[in-house]
Amino acid sequence: EAGVAQSPRYKIIEKRQSVAFWCNPISGHATLYWYQQILGQGPKLLIQFQNNGVVDDSQLPKDRFSAERLKGVDSTLKIQPAKLEDSAVYLCASRSTGVGGYTFGSGTRLTVV
Amino acid sequence: DAKTTQPNSMESNEEEPVHLPCNHSTISGTDYIHWYRQLPSQGPEYVIHGLTSNVNNRMASLAIAEDRKSSTLILHRATLRDAAVYYCILRDSNYGGSQGNLIFGKGTKLSVKP
Repeated sequence: EAGVAQSPRYKIIEKRQSVAFWCNPISGHATLYWYQQILGQGPKLLIQFQNNGVVDDSQLPKDRFSAERLKGVDSTLKIQPAKLEDSAVYLCASRSTGVGGYTFGSGTRLTVV
Repeated sequence: DAKTTQPNSMESNEEEPVHLPCNHSTISGTDYIHWYRQLPSQGPEYVIHGLTSNVNNRMASLAIAEDRKSSTLILHRATLRDAAVYYCILRDSNYGGSQGNLIFGKGTKLSVKP
């Protein structure tokens, strides 16, 4: 089966600019996640979607981050305005229902200068 | 906060077995033990999971202590491609809700020498 697709692979922006990341999960996977991974740390969960509804966004900095999953398939994560500390890899993952493992994309590496 | 404790790093020689330990003294009865690994410049990859009994798959084996307060991921013959960060994660069996989400710690960085 095709994996989780993410784009772009790399992005460099200046602070205070805005940026958007796109994720296409595995077909049929109802649950989708966005994680942030700062260099040297494990991934940190930002938001969980079940179909097109938000299940958990408690760790999402809502003053600057937003995410949506229209039609319960693709998802977009946006940062506006970006700060230097947002430099990280943004990972998208999806899973089917039940005990199934997560499948992660390769991520988008964001550098804010 | 991650509920598991792992060594920061480990080294292994190629073609030798590797035992990666994980302590989870506060594990609850509904927590599954999951292992993921992350190769350089890639997203994490599922390795194996278990509840009480030891588990084997094509990638690795998982040995779970009888009291479930610790577990060990076993790579039977390490290859250079096994060099990665290995994460041990407790995941609640309530997979439908947020309690079942993967919460990552810092993991163990495994280096494999030729």
